[in-house]
Amino acid sequence: DAGITQSPRHKVTETGTPVTLRCHQTENHRYMYWYRQDPGHGLRLIHYSYGVKDTDKGEVSDGYSVSRSKTEDFLLTLESATSSQTSVYFCAITGTGRLGRELFFGEGSRLTVL
Amino acid sequence: SQELEQSPQSLIVQEGKNLTINCTSSKTLYGLYWYKQKYGEGLIFLMMLQKGGEEKSHEKITAKLDEKKQQSSLHITASQPSHAGIYLCGADIIQGAQKLVFGQGTRLTINP
Repeated sequence: DAGITQSPRHKVTETGTPVTLRCHQTENHRYMYWYRQDPGHGLRLIHYSYGVKDTDKGEVSDGYSVSRSKTEDFLLTLESATSSQTSVYFCAITGTGRLGRELFFGEGSRLTVL
Repeated sequence: SQELEQSPQSLIVQEGKNLTINCTSSKTLYGLYWYKQKYGEGLIFLMMLQKGGEEKSHEKITAKLDEKKQQSSLHITASQPSHAGIYLCGADIIQGAQKLVFGQGTRLTINP
């Protein structure tokens, strides 16, 4: 199994509060991704990273920021959460390491913004 | 609109029947992934295709990437209740960028 963990797995917060989701990997993979999943939309890319301090925007990046100060950690921050950001968030990793080019997903983080 | 379009968005089939799910893009696909998701659970990797014309099979599921690398199909033979779930296709649409985007998913229901 790929060593990828997300935290927290569940969170309920109020509109306007900051929220940070963490993705941690033990595979030393170069690429890390944050997706959100909503009914009827599949997985939509928020941000991704291709190395330490190297990140780029995805399809739905507004309202989100990311940071990657270490290979193993990719943080997703909602500076001021809104109800439209209620979703299930998935982190994924890929690279050319031990696990090859397969894209591995975390278990997901369910965020509810009231 | 999303870069990858899946069709149909929803599919209901009788157990034992064959079915096909399509994934289409207006751009060349570099690395095409198929995933399955049980309702409310995580994603299960099915297959990855890279070369035009490539075809892979696992048990009763076959995936193919067309020669132009702009369309992939997922075919399930003799469907079973265990095949029910959401099927997602994902791909790198910019060569070498590893910017992996996904379609909106196909919800498959198998009726006994």
